[in-house]
Amino acid sequence: EVQLVESGGGLVQPGGSLRLSCAASGFTLSSSSMNWVRQVPGKGLEWVSYISSSSISINYADSVKGRFTISRDNAKNSLYLQMNSLRAEDTAVYYCVRDFLRGGIFGVWGQGTLVTVSS
Amino acid sequence: EIVLTQSPGTLSLSPGERATLSCRASQSVSSSYLVWYQQKPGQAPRLVIYGASSRATGIPDRFSGSGSGTDFTLTISRLEPEDFAVYYCQQYGSSPWTFGQGTKVEIK
Repeated sequence: EVQLVESGGGLVQPGGSLRLSCAASGFTLSSSSMNWVRQVPGKGLEWVSYISSSSISINYADSVKGRFTISRDNAKNSLYLQMNSLRAEDTAVYYCVRDFLRGGIFGVWGQGTLVTVSS
Repeated sequence: EIVLTQSPGTLSLSPGERATLSCRASQSVSSSYLVWYQQKPGQAPRLVIYGASSRATGIPDRFSGSGSGTDFTLTISRLEPEDFAVYYCQQYGSSPWTFGQGTKVEIK
């Protein structure tokens, strides 16, 4: 069974840092492009970042560019999101998502991890 | 950035009825790169339709997608109890990939 499990969420103060991890199972991560998508509880969805299977292509939403860094370790079958200079507006559930067929079609989602930025 | 506007915000229908959800883009979505997701409370979204009209694996044929350019539609021909949820459209034709604000399909 294809599965994505996020971890690393929690409460952090404004200006702080957090690193999210996503463990993939049931498939070979190296063959898939991946994303992070976030959702403010009770609100809509926002794509955050994309990384190609080889890590050659990386994209970010303008709202996180320069503060967040996506990376992957195919040997560990894991995806990461390093979040620095966190703001209150970054508070959300962060989903690890596997692309289906091509970048931008979000085919498999993890259960999400909640990040709360508050003093 | 392409802005997607979904309507209506809430659709109140009874099981067995037909649901028609609209997604309008602020500019043309290239190659009909438009998807629909279903999200139930406490769950992650689930891919329903991609390429504007192709059903994802395991999605029943009562779900259909149509449209091109700036106007897209998700139709559920006969609502089943498990179909009541929030539906989001999203475009992947140009960066940044963007979502609509969602349509809630609720039981009347």
